[in-house]
Amino acid sequence: LAKTTQPISMDSYEGQEVNITCSHNNIATNDYITWYQQFPSQGPRFIIQGYKTKVTNEVASLFIPADRKSSTLSLPRVSLSDTAVYYCLGYTGGFKTIFGAGTRLFVKA
Amino acid sequence: EAQVTQNPRYLITVTGKKLTVTCSQNMNHEYMSWYRQDPGLGLRQIYYSMNVEVTDKGDVPEGYKVSRKEKRNFPLILESPSPNQTSLYFCASSLSPESRNSPLHFGNGTRLTVT
Repeated sequence: LAKTTQPISMDSYEGQEVNITCSHNNIATNDYITWYQQFPSQGPRFIIQGYKTKVTNEVASLFIPADRKSSTLSLPRVSLSDTAVYYCLGYTGGFKTIFGAGTRLFVKA
Repeated sequence: EAQVTQNPRYLITVTGKKLTVTCSQNMNHEYMSWYRQDPGLGLRQIYYSMNVEVTDKGDVPEGYKVSRKEKRNFPLILESPSPNQTSLYFCASSLSPESRNSPLHFGNGTRLTVT
């Protein structure tokens, strides 16, 4: 199973770019890497997903190196509303899912 | 609107009193799963279901039961709740686990307190 490791917390200021890196231990060949965002008292929400190289959508970019042992979620020009907990998930074989403890991002004015 | 609905949102009960938390999805998803979330521990998987009548244990299944009699419903049953099951519970679903790019859709959670 793919265990994930992320920083516990990060601080940033409005307008800055934030990069959160996740390490995936033993990620399987056919696993995708998925990131979720969670606000207090809400369920996690899908942000972005990728398999290799770079993926970009209207919310974020995801960078995955060739060895796929890590991934970096990039949030461009964060705002106060981006304050949340961010989880990376190795979508695992065997159909179990393993979430890390998440990264608490705090955006300051 | 496509969604995962959990009920109730909040539940306070006493030790040993059986309870059920319901989960329903309207997206015709094959895969459904239950998680508990505790401070500092992130999301831990309790049980999951690949399809109707197919369920399996996650990482923390002790003290819980599930059933999947219909595709849309996946109730979580606590036969004899204990205080260490006080937690925030989330239900989630995805289109199909075989499709590796099927993200999970989560409900809004059920906050359970067992006294």
